[in-house]
Amino acid sequence: QVQLQESGPGLVKPSETLSLTCTVSGGSVSYYYWSWIRQPPGKGLEWIGYVYYIGSTNYNPSLNSRVTISVDRSKNQFSLKLTSVTAADTAVYYCARTQREGYYSKYYMDVWGKGTTVTVSS
Amino acid sequence: QSVLTQPPSASVTPGQRVTISCSGSSSNIGSNTVNWYQQLPGTAPKLLIYSDDQWPSGVPDRFSGSKSGTSASLAISGLQSEDEADYYCASWDDSLSGYVFGTGTKVTVL
Repeated sequence: QVQLQESGPGLVKPSETLSLTCTVSGGSVSYYYWSWIRQPPGKGLEWIGYVYYIGSTNYNPSLNSRVTISVDRSKNQFSLKLTSVTAADTAVYYCARTQREGYYSKYYMDVWGKGTTVTVSS
Repeated sequence: QSVLTQPPSASVTPGQRVTISCSGSSSNIGSNTVNWYQQLPGTAPKLLIYSDDQWPSGVPDRFSGSKSGTSASLAISGLQSEDEADYYCASWDDSLSGYVFGTGTKVTVL
């Protein structure tokens, strides 16, 4: 049974870079898409982007200039970097395994991590 | 601001049926399949329905999904206290080139 675990600093200063890692256990990162999603306090879900196991990516256009998602097959992990953070980036960050068929006709997250809270504050 | 619109809340008595709507457009629901996620208080979202009307393993058939044109619905029958949660629809949006979530609906069991 695949399990995902997010890890990284819980506090990041404004203008700095948020870095999170998702460790995949019970399965391999190979042959899947892997996504990051976030949820600001008291608000809804926002898709950040995904990485395919071979390294190709797709990002939310509203975050595109600040986001990098990468995969490390040797460590069975994938990572998120978000630069120039502000208080608006304070959120619970989730990683998730993602299924995709066709162009994007079928696209969904079927396994989620428990999430990690990141606060942006000086 | 989400491009998928849901009612903010629904209150239902135990045993009753509730239907949650999700309104989109031709670039998302009209072109791609819809998924539904359940988020219990203080927990991560969980896939509830995928590809419009398919159940992941372990999800009871009290939950059902449907789609017509640019709108989708999630129905929960025989509502139980443990169904009290936030529910989100989601779909790929071809115009935005991204995955979009609905505004979310909080279901309260009276």
